[in-house]
Amino acid sequence: KQEVTQIPAALSVPEGENLVLNCSFTDSAIYNLQWFRQDPGKGLTSLLLIQSSQREQTSGRLNASLDKSSGRSTLYIAASQPGDSATYLCAVRVDSSYKLIFGSGTRLLVRP
Amino acid sequence: EAGVAQSPRYKIIEKRQSVAFWCNPISGHATLYWYQQILGQGPKLLIQFQNNGVVDDSQLPKDRFSAERLKGVDSTLKIQPAKLEDSAVYLCASSLTQYGSPLHFGNGTRLTVT
Repeated sequence: KQEVTQIPAALSVPEGENLVLNCSFTDSAIYNLQWFRQDPGKGLTSLLLIQSSQREQTSGRLNASLDKSSGRSTLYIAASQPGDSATYLCAVRVDSSYKLIFGSGTRLLVRP
Repeated sequence: EAGVAQSPRYKIIEKRQSVAFWCNPISGHATLYWYQQILGQGPKLLIQFQNNGVVDDSQLPKDRFSAERLKGVDSTLKIQPAKLEDSAVYLCASSLTQYGSPLHFGNGTRLTVT
């Protein structure tokens, strides 16, 4: 059974810092992995999607990497800003059933 | 492009009452999902539609939850009767294809059962 874990559960950093959010999954047989952002009281916004054949994806100050063999993905945020404060969730699409399974998220606070 | 629309935004009901949520996906998106998100947790899939057919409803409590997508566009999710543990945010999402394209979420319906 696929399980997705995100550590830490919460993170507080000063503005301008580069930071890394971690996502680990127990079964390496995945179809793709997606990173989302969730603001309080809102739905999820898709940030990056990495197909299983890819190693990384970039969008602006965000870079996501995928290492299937070790069951890990990281989301790198460069030069963090207070507007980056949100909960970041990763989700893996399981190869066998194509079901999308979410982690519990990392709640990020960027202090001015 | 217009996003995924959901209504209502908030709903408060007493236990044993019934409630219904509505979702209108992004135009042209064949796949529609209903997720339940309990505070502090990631979303959990309740049901997935491909056009108007059910792909996965393995985690839908079928004794009290039902969902339909009659014309392959809008969808409704119903709970009858509600329990206290159903208090959560119910998120609707859609995607262009079933597997390889990103999900787009609505803002959700926050349900409180008292």
